[in-house]
Amino acid sequence: AQSVTQPDIHITVSEGASLELRCNYSYGATPYLFWYVQSPGQGLQLLLKYFSGDTLVQGIKGFEAEFKRSQSSFNLRKPSVHWSDAAEYFCAVAIQGAQKLVFGQGTRLTINP
Amino acid sequence: NAGVTQTPKFRILKIGQSMTLQCAQDMNHNYMYWYRQDPGMGLKLIYYSVGAGITDKGEVPNGYNVSRSTTEDFPLRLELAAPSQTSVYFCASRSQGGVAFFGQGTRLTVV
Repeated sequence: AQSVTQPDIHITVSEGASLELRCNYSYGATPYLFWYVQSPGQGLQLLLKYFSGDTLVQGIKGFEAEFKRSQSSFNLRKPSVHWSDAAEYFCAVAIQGAQKLVFGQGTRLTINP
Repeated sequence: NAGVTQTPKFRILKIGQSMTLQCAQDMNHNYMYWYRQDPGMGLKLIYYSVGAGITDKGEVPNGYNVSRSTTEDFPLRLELAAPSQTSVYFCASRSQGGVAFFGQGTRLTVV
């Protein structure tokens, strides 16, 4: 079945450490790809997107993501996390002519001081 | 600069009652979406629309209905509320080839 998978439900990292959140999708064509962040009790904010071109994309708050077609992955990275990065992170793909927008299960990020 | 507006923010329903969750956007986006968010389950797509008069089912449409009579509005209807519909509901809109903007959500409890 077509899907978006975020394998890690919960990740804990220390402040200042590097971060990588995984996202895999199982659609035939290359979809539009997104990462969103949700702080507790809030709506979703776009971190970055990939439509085409350079496979390494830069986003807000120091985040970046790399699209790897061979692995059907779009992993999110940050070199050094801050306590304010604690939140839930969602990977999303737009499929079916980029009309339908589906999300992964989310990864909850906890930051240790 | 409203973006996507959802009403109400909170609602408690009794089993069997019906209600409509309202969603309006002022960005002239063609695409609109309804999601439900349950703990640990991410966002599940309920229904979506690619333009006025056009709607389609998402991943979890059972128990819900939608309509899209205008570009701006995309209401979600619950006809016979069930406890399984207790959730946080998000509406979103996007332009073709664009990014999605989300409302602040509606927290619904069915008792």
